[in-house]
Amino acid sequence: GNSVTQMEGPVTLSEEAFLTINCTYTATGYPSLFWYVQYPGEGLQLLLKATKADDKGSNKGFEATYRKETTSFHLEKGSVQVSDSAVYFCALRGAAGNKLTFGGGTRVLVKP
Amino acid sequence: GAVVSQHPSWVICKSGTSVKIECRSLDFQATTMFWYRQFPKQSLMLMATSNEGSKATYEQGVEKDKFLINHASLTLSTLTVTSAHPEDSSFYICSAPGLAGEGPDTQYFGPGTRLTVL
Repeated sequence: GNSVTQMEGPVTLSEEAFLTINCTYTATGYPSLFWYVQYPGEGLQLLLKATKADDKGSNKGFEATYRKETTSFHLEKGSVQVSDSAVYFCALRGAAGNKLTFGGGTRVLVKP
Repeated sequence: GAVVSQHPSWVICKSGTSVKIECRSLDFQATTMFWYRQFPKQSLMLMATSNEGSKATYEQGVEKDKFLINHASLTLSTLTVTSAHPEDSSFYICSAPGLAGEGPDTQYFGPGTRLTVL
């Protein structure tokens, strides 16, 4: 079956630091890949997505590239802000249906 | 964007009692809703798909009689944990697919309900 593995947190950074959260997946066929973010007290929100190999999703300064050869979808941001403190979830949706498979989530804490 | 709410946000109950969690789409109609469960430091696991006006579809390994799902209207789905036990303690999250035209990749998530069974 499908699975998603992402690095465990928490990740603690200083403001303006570079952030990388690793995500790898196992799936049959060609899944769509997502990063969701959950701010404190709020529901998960879609941050970015990529639907085919070599696509790059980007939003709010975050980027992730769909790498089929390494089955990865690592999230990066060049300069984080305190407001980026949240839990980040990597997820995939298989070729059929709209069910999502999530990674374990990575808590990121950005200190001023 | 669309908003999904959950009630309560947290609940503590005694072992053997039943607990109902509500999931509401506030400004849109949802014929389908999804229920997830999240253990500490683990991923969200899809439990079931709630369908308005028909039976829910449960994922493999999820006990239908323990986790009762009712989708009584286009804006409300409920999850009832029956005869709760400490191992049912978890974070329960619901979501609804996006609006018409937003495509299958859009889902709106509720903020979650933390259940603690003593």
